[in-house]
Amino acid sequence: EDKVVQSPLSLVVHEGDTVTLNCSYEVTNFRSLLWYKQEKKAPTFLFMLTSSGIEKKSGRLSSILDKKELFSILNITATQTGDSAIYLCAVSTQGGSEKLVFGKGTKLTVNP
Amino acid sequence: EADIYQTPRYLVIGTGKKITLECSQTMGHDKMYWYQQDPGMELHLIHYSYGVNSTEKGDLSSESTVSRIRTEHFPLTLESARPSHTSQYLCASSGSGGETQYFGPGTRLLVL
Repeated sequence: EDKVVQSPLSLVVHEGDTVTLNCSYEVTNFRSLLWYKQEKKAPTFLFMLTSSGIEKKSGRLSSILDKKELFSILNITATQTGDSAIYLCAVSTQGGSEKLVFGKGTKLTVNP
Repeated sequence: EADIYQTPRYLVIGTGKKITLECSQTMGHDKMYWYQQDPGMELHLIHYSYGVNSTEKGDLSSESTVSRIRTEHFPLTLESARPSHTSQYLCASSGSGGETQYFGPGTRLLVL
């Protein structure tokens, strides 16, 4: 059974801290890994990673994939209170169906 | 502006009522999805569609049904709501050949 595990499940930091969120996966026929940010409403797309070792960056957020060790990390530098959210990791698999398998998410709280 | 919409955003209803959750997207996407998410838990796929007149059940068994008569519209229906149906329901869509799914704002359903 395909599985995505995120850690930690919850994290509390102060503004300005740097955080690293982890996502490991066990799936058959891996195609890509996606990161989403979920605040009170819908998940919003952050990154899609398909190749190992290539960092994707958007402002203070960056992410990298290791297909050999089957994990990805999401880094957030100089955190702000607006970064408080649940960060979801999802994996898509090859083979016709384009379904995503989601982890439980990491709840990040950034205190002023 | 291309977007994905869900109505209602919040719904409180009594047991036994029939309800329909609406989802529409103006992005021209072929693929649409319904997820169920309980607080602190993963998103679970309950239905998906690859195009008009195509619907499939997802990984999580659900008593709901869906239809896809128009490309932009993917409503979800519960014939007889029960308290166990209380949850958040998220609709998403993706373009052909793309794994990235874009989510609507969600419907929070409370069945009394």
